[in-house]
Amino acid sequence: EVQLVESGGGLVQPGGSLRLSCAASGFTVSSNYLSWVRQAPGKGLEWVSIIYSAGTTYYADSVKGRFTISRHNSKNTVYLQMNSLRAEDTAVYYCARDRDYGTGFDIWGQGTMVTVSS
Amino acid sequence: DIQMTQSPSSLSASVGDRVTITCRASQSISTYLNWYQQKPGKAPNLLIYAASSLQTGVPSRFSGSGSGTEFTLTISSLQPEDFATYYCQQSYRNLLTFGGGTKVEIK
Repeated sequence: EVQLVESGGGLVQPGGSLRLSCAASGFTVSSNYLSWVRQAPGKGLEWVSIIYSAGTTYYADSVKGRFTISRHNSKNTVYLQMNSLRAEDTAVYYCARDRDYGTGFDIWGQGTMVTVSS
Repeated sequence: DIQMTQSPSSLSASVGDRVTITCRASQSISTYLNWYQQKPGKAPNLLIYAASSLQTGVPSRFSGSGSGTEFTLTISSLQPEDFATYYCQQSYRNLLTFGGGTKVEIK
């Protein structure tokens, strides 16, 4: 079965760090484009970051310099390292697959909640 | 960054109605436009990619059109399971962006 499973969310204090994981099954992460998308409580979707099959990465301006996306090919897993967390980073974080350029996010994980609060 | 503007932000409709949602891009994005449906507490679901291509398994009552800066999602005959929030998303540039969403409610 083709699926994505996120983990690593939780409660963290402002200024703290957290690493999210996204484990893929049924396909190879290194051959696809994987993104992180977040949704603050009661709000819309916000794209956060992408890692292309070639390894190139991009970030939304709101997280650039604080978040880092990476992947471990042998574990078939994508990560999101989040540093210097702020209250406005509180959201459900989804990972999502894009099979190719412009084909849309066809596979989504169930999401993991990140709460930044003191 | 490319800004995506959806309208309306919400609408009320009845079962059987034809519903149209519009998405406008701040610059031309060719046909690099995707549509998603999201129900409360669930991950989004891809409906349409490349502006007009129906994702596998999505009912044919959903259709998309447009190119350049203006796009539409049409539900030809609204069904009870279609009450949800709909988002457009551009994939033209590496900094991907979503529209603000359109909530479709029961009239």
